Amino acid sequence: AQSVSQHNHHVILSEAASLELGCNYSYGGTVNLFWYVQYPGQHLQLLLKYFSGDPLVKGIKGFEAEFIKSKFSFNLRKPSVQWSDTAEYFCAVNAGGGSYIPTFGRGTSLIVHP
Amino acid sequence: DAMVIQNPRYQVTQFGKPVTLSCSQTLNHNVMYWYQQKSSQAPKLLFHYYDKDFNNEADTPDNFQSRRPNTSFCFLDIRSPGLGDAAMYLCATSRDGSVAYNEQFFGPGTRLTVL
Repeated sequence: AQSVSQHNHHVILSEAASLELGCNYSYGGTVNLFWYVQYPGQHLQLLLKYFSGDPLVKGIKGFEAEFIKSKFSFNLRKPSVQWSDTAEYFCAVNAGGGSYIPTFGRGTSLIVHP
Repeated sequence: DAMVIQNPRYQVTQFGKPVTLSCSQTLNHNVMYWYQQKSSQAPKLLFHYYDKDFNNEADTPDNFQSRRPNTSFCFLDIRSPGLGDAAMYLCATSRDGSVAYNEQFFGPGTRLTVL
């Protein structure tokens, strides 16, 4: 069975710091990759998604993620975080071949201090 | 706005007393999912429907059942809740299973407490 690892469970940053959250998966075939975000008191929502093409994916609110197939990674980045980025971030992976059932990582809690 | 709605947002039940959680969607999506999420853990898929086709995860306890009477509604029934079933229950939808449209849209969740 495939697995998704988010190694940073808790991240604390100051505003304007750069962010990189790690996501690694175990499946060796074609994948669809997602980052979801859950702001305090709100529902999970899609931040960005990769399924083909340019491995550097731009998402909402200045986030981007890079798919590196050789490293089985899909790390999330933002050059300068804001207090409003405080949230829980989940990486999710669909195995290819028509699978639409994602495997989620356990999430990373990001706190940004003003 | 099109959305995924879950009711109630908070549910308190007694040990062994059946409970039903509901989910509705105005997105007209084909796929509906139920997840269980405990604190600091990944959402755990319980089952999903692709249209009327029900798909149960292998490790979902028999205590959990689901119904999808029409495209818009999906219910999660917990027949005899135990203390270990206390969790956040998330409903999600996706338009279909294609790579272009398989991202999920989540409801706000129902927080279940078992006394």
